[in-house]
Amino acid sequence: AQSVTQLDSQVPVFEEAPVELRCNYSSSVSVYLFWYVQYPNQGLQLLLKYLSGSTLVKGINGFEAEFNKSQTSFHLRKPSVHISDTAEYFCAVSGASGGSYIPTFGRGTSLIVHP
Amino acid sequence: ETGVTQSPTHLIKTRGQQVTLRCSSQSGHNTVSWYQQALGQGPQFIFQYYREEENGRGNFPPRFSGLQFPNYSSELNVNALELDDSALYLCASSSQGTDTQYFGPGTRLTVL
Repeated sequence: AQSVTQLDSQVPVFEEAPVELRCNYSSSVSVYLFWYVQYPNQGLQLLLKYLSGSTLVKGINGFEAEFNKSQTSFHLRKPSVHISDTAEYFCAVSGASGGSYIPTFGRGTSLIVHP
Repeated sequence: ETGVTQSPTHLIKTRGQQVTLRCSSQSGHNTVSWYQQALGQGPQFIFQYYREEENGRGNFPPRFSGLQFPNYSSELNVNALELDDSALYLCASSSQGTDTQYFGPGTRLTVL
């Protein structure tokens, strides 16, 4: 079984400042890791994913995340945020085998970008 | 390429009623998963369908049931609605054996 902990329920930040959204996971098997974004009243959109290979993963909208196996973390970063980045961000983990790849989601982090 | 679509967008029901939510999967995808997202929470896995059969189920009671049709579209049925069933219901499609699910915009269900 897998689980995900998103350490911050809310992260306020000023426009053009850097941001890091933290995610830790637990699993007894190899994992795939994902970050999704949810804008108000919308579904989830995939930002980026780690499957294997390079531990630094680049995604859409200037976001990137780094997989750290020893710390079981997959923190999301952006060097300079925009007002339009205000949204809910979800970290998710799935097993890397078995075929069904059903993700387990964290509770989400609300990113609030102030002008 | 058409994305995942869901209908209706919003729905209001009363306790004890039954509801059916619908999902059309993205072109080329043969697997559909359903999630419940309560307010302020992450999505919780309800079940997954592949080739018209249930292919995995989360911790939800039997009054949550589903169907998948030959064109890979899907329905989620909930019987005997309870107040706690109020949530955003998300459908996600994928190709079996691949790693990424693609989500629809969701159906907001309110149970009064």
